Amino acid sequence: GAVVSQHPSRVICKSGTSVKIECRSLDFQATTMFWYRQFPKQSLMLMATSNEGSKATYEQGVEKDKFLINHASLTLSTLTVTSAHPEDSSFYICSASIPPGNTIYFGEGSWLTVV
Amino acid sequence: AQKITQTQPGMFVQEKEAVTLDCTYDTSDPSYGLFWYKQPSSGEMIFLIYQGSYDQQNATEGRYSLNFQKARKSANLVISASQLGDSAMYFCAMREGPKGYQKVTFGTGTKLQVIP
Repeated sequence: GAVVSQHPSRVICKSGTSVKIECRSLDFQATTMFWYRQFPKQSLMLMATSNEGSKATYEQGVEKDKFLINHASLTLSTLTVTSAHPEDSSFYICSASIPPGNTIYFGEGSWLTVV
Repeated sequence: AQKITQTQPGMFVQEKEAVTLDCTYDTSDPSYGLFWYKQPSSGEMIFLIYQGSYDQQNATEGRYSLNFQKARKSANLVISASQLGDSAMYFCAMREGPKGYQKVTFGTGTKLQVIP
């Protein structure tokens, strides 16, 4: 069964609005979660590392004010795409590792379409 | 420089045959981990196999085995007895960095197609 759950799996939003994607670890506490973005037929690009109780660490080129990440508890991290534009349409996927880090599980992913 | 390199954008294999998917990596960390994931068209990332940098033996998981050659910095995935359901994208990934600050980066992937 899934150990990392991501919601929603698909979302369509209007340009200029914000959308929140949730990533939950099931049956384990994830002090660190990762958020990736994947364009069609491309690899996963790490956006940010989400640490429980502290600010996320963003990768170079990722706008932290546009992609807000909150890791309020040991089982939940959220990614909010603010003022979404059509170019933000993509597949977003989160992951969490089970200590000691030998296994990293991914959520089901979220397809975002901005119209 | 690329951290993870997968030089095969696409591969074909006959059903029931074995196939090797190539992966080379670049890191200066003495401690790191290597992963292989399968991504079908639905988008989910399915964990296949893990190899730690200090592991003496090559990892195996059912039909999957990892040919780990540390000196060459390669971590090729071998799939034995291919099945039609193995058709998917396959990504090699590496975890590196100090504890608490680790990150995982992915290669560009290899699209595997199994031919009946």
